[in-house]
Amino acid sequence: GAVVSQHPSWVICKSGTSVKIECRSLDFQATTMFWYRQFPKQSLMLMATSNEGSKATYEQGVEKDKFLINHASLTLSTLTVTSAHPEDSSFYICSADSGTSGRAHEQFFGPGTRLTVL
Amino acid sequence: DAKTTQPNSMESNEEEPVHLPCNHSTISGTDYIHWYRQLPSQGPEYVIHGLTSNVNNRMASLAIAEDRKSSTLILHRATLRDAAVYYCILEGTGFQKLVFGTGTRLLVSP
Repeated sequence: GAVVSQHPSWVICKSGTSVKIECRSLDFQATTMFWYRQFPKQSLMLMATSNEGSKATYEQGVEKDKFLINHASLTLSTLTVTSAHPEDSSFYICSADSGTSGRAHEQFFGPGTRLTVL
Repeated sequence: DAKTTQPNSMESNEEEPVHLPCNHSTISGTDYIHWYRQLPSQGPEYVIHGLTSNVNNRMASLAIAEDRKSSTLILHRATLRDAAVYYCILEGTGFQKLVFGTGTRLLVSP
């Protein structure tokens, strides 16, 4: 089946630093990738939709200057949390669309990246 | 985006069937019904999806009401590995978007 990886799986950083998270589709090409954030005991919240070669579309309330998304190739999207603060500590999850139909059931999720900001 | 309503939690015993309900009374005619599950500290995993007819796959069955205002995910024989949060999701107004609700936490006892 389709596999999506994330790197790193966990990261601890100091307040004020920037952190980059990678999302890769290992065995398929993904024109569209999605980034989610999940706080403890809560559901996933969609942050943005990333299309290869174009600017990401951010959900309402998500700061695009703080959460920089780059989708430079059909197999790689990156999320950079700039000037991270403790409130940005969360579980970040990406997903990638593997199909040609464009319907949601062909999305595959990565294992997530746990970010802790001290 | 059309919303779904699920019970917060359900319990089951191992080897027994589990029926996880989902209400989606505002579903539109072209909305697909998706089920994903999330094990602790992992990304969500696709379970099944459907539009109008009941669906079966190796993981589960999906029973969709005739009026499509509700659906039920059926795990035929629960195992300890099925303990997870199960999300019933309607495909959003934006193509491909998945908007997660609160889901149902399934507890499976030996």
